[in-house]
Amino acid sequence: ETGVTQTPRHLVMGMTNKKSLKCEQHLGHNAMYWYKQSAKKPLELMFVYSLEERVENNSVPSRFSPECPNSSHLFLHLHTLQPEDSALYLCASSQGGQKQFFGPGTRLTVL
Amino acid sequence: GESVGLHLPTLSVQEGDNSIINCAYSNSASDYFIWYKQESGKGPQFIIDIRSNMDKRQGQRVTVLLNKTVKHLSLQIAATQPGDSAVYFCAEIISGGYNKLIFGAGTRLAVHP
Repeated sequence: ETGVTQTPRHLVMGMTNKKSLKCEQHLGHNAMYWYKQSAKKPLELMFVYSLEERVENNSVPSRFSPECPNSSHLFLHLHTLQPEDSALYLCASSQGGQKQFFGPGTRLTVL
Repeated sequence: GESVGLHLPTLSVQEGDNSIINCAYSNSASDYFIWYKQESGKGPQFIIDIRSNMDKRQGQRVTVLLNKTVKHLSLQIAATQPGDSAVYFCAEIISGGYNKLIFGAGTRLAVHP
């Protein structure tokens, strides 16, 4: 266990659905991240939150909406997704510039 | 057309042999490097890291070598075991701010008995 948990582990949704992914870190870290890992591309950084403020939005479409209510929790709200958004979504946390610890991921399938 | 997956280079080794996984990084300003291991169905797991003021660092059964001249990083695994079978990623970081990780495409390590 890395101290980073993600729920749900698997999610199937239609293109008109709205769902949310949740990440929680139990490490006392001050930065949290969302990554997308698809079969066709290397690991892609989506969003970064440092001290609960978004510091990076890596040209992610607006159908993905992150939320960081406190330093331990990170959400990714999903709406009107496309089939090409099907991927493994990974959350990570770190303390400042130190190494990032990853959660197990949410396997998302968009029908 | 039919979509295809990302074709990762694969390293096949016999159990008990040593493995060497290589990585070329892109930015000469990168000053911190990490190796991650990702098993099927799991998130990446930290293995070992190295800062740019070092050229070698050893852990338990693993050694990372850094050659800044040619921007090359390698991970050596001694006495490879079946449990080492996974995809291995190197990541580079330019320190400052929140320290953005840039990941390589990964190498698949297959260990055969």
